Amino acid sequence: GAVVSQHPSRVICKSGTSVKIECRSLDFQATTMFWYRQFPKQSLMLMATSNEGSKATYEQGVEKDKFLINHASLTLSTLTVTSAHPEDSSFYICSAIILAGGYEQYFGPGTRLTVT
Amino acid sequence: AQKVTQAQTEISVVEKEDVTLDCVYETRDTTYYLFWYKQPPSGELVFLIRRNSFDEQNEISGRYSWNFQKSTSSFNFTITASQVVDSAVYFCALSDPSNDYKLSFGAGTTVTVRA
Repeated sequence: GAVVSQHPSRVICKSGTSVKIECRSLDFQATTMFWYRQFPKQSLMLMATSNEGSKATYEQGVEKDKFLINHASLTLSTLTVTSAHPEDSSFYICSAIILAGGYEQYFGPGTRLTVT
Repeated sequence: AQKVTQAQTEISVVEKEDVTLDCVYETRDTTYYLFWYKQPPSGELVFLIRRNSFDEQNEISGRYSWNFQKSTSSFNFTITASQVVDSAVYFCALSDPSNDYKLSFGAGTTVTVRA
């Protein structure tokens, strides 16, 4: 099946610094990728939709200036958490779509961010 | 608006018991997709099944089975003869193609299978 990777898998950073998370589709091209955030014991919440070559579309309540998304190629999307604060500590998961595959989303393994 | 309800927050069973997870959804669209995912303690989401709105056939895959009832907007999931490895959080999700294939997840049901 289609494989999506994320890097890093875990990251600890200090408050006020920025962190970049990469999401790659390894064996297919993904015109659309999604970024989700999951707090402990909660469900996945969609943060933004990332389309290759265009600006990301953010869900209501998600600060676009804080969560910068870049989808520079058909296999790579990046999420940068700028000026991270402890409340940004969460599990961030990306997914990618293969349109020919019936719009199924393939999920990355997730990145656990801890801001101290 | 899309909405997925998983009313059961936690279910605990003893190994070999069957367990059924409920999922009720709301959508105004006639074309949509329903999914079930498993999230073990490692955190990685594991795809279990996708069902489109025009396919109401129930499906069985090994110990897993799904019951899609369009009349009641439900897409329930049953694990037969549960095993300890089935312990995980299970999410039901809904996707509407006119909404850019965004997935709306239910709150999840934590299944604990005791030996």
